[in-house]
Amino acid sequence: KAGVTQTPRYLIKTRGQQVTLSCSPISGHRSVSWYQQTPGQGLQFLFEYFSETQRNKGNFPGRFSGRQFSNSRSEMNVSTLELGDSALYLCASSLGPDTDTQYFGPGTRLTVL
Amino acid sequence: QQQVKQSPQSLIVQKGGISIINCAYENTAFDYFPWYQQFPGKGPALLIAIRPDVSEKKEGRFTISFNKSAKQFSLHIMDSQPGDSATYFCAVTRGSARQLTFGSGTQLTVLP
Repeated sequence: KAGVTQTPRYLIKTRGQQVTLSCSPISGHRSVSWYQQTPGQGLQFLFEYFSETQRNKGNFPGRFSGRQFSNSRSEMNVSTLELGDSALYLCASSLGPDTDTQYFGPGTRLTVL
Repeated sequence: QQQVKQSPQSLIVQKGGISIINCAYENTAFDYFPWYQQFPGKGPALLIAIRPDVSEKKEGRFTISFNKSAKQFSLHIMDSQPGDSATYFCAVTRGSARQLTFGSGTQLTVLP
């Protein structure tokens, strides 16, 4: 079974731009969570989606948003990029909202110049 | 407030030795305690996990020890191998909120 797929793998943007990252969960998985990983702050939860609904949101500004489609694929968007948004953005999928085990994708490396 | 404190930050072990990484948490409501392994350029991969109703769980060379009263849990890697060299993260989660709260990570180096 294919793992979690994230596209693109690498992205370079400039301050003020916006970016959209995509995540395809493992087939049959219906929950998708997003995490930001930086050397300074470590791994931090962004948000979780199930059945196209955001269930939980981490402590990030409103510039960070996401959505989930009916096929469970998810996108996250960051508007008005700041230098501090440079990070590895990880998507994780699980069978459902009550399933503990989350499987991570390889991440999208975003660099903001 | 740091909800999960992980130590040490880095660890160097000889091949065949035992690697021990510790995590301490604050909130007694946490009910799921996984350990993740991450190699450079890859996403974290679930290694082993435990619930608070057991004090120890073993899978191959990896063991979680859980001390509910002390609010601590640890990862033991027996017979450590150079291929185990990676960054290890503990995490916690609770109830219906399935978001993982991660420790700061431990960079493990196993010398050949």
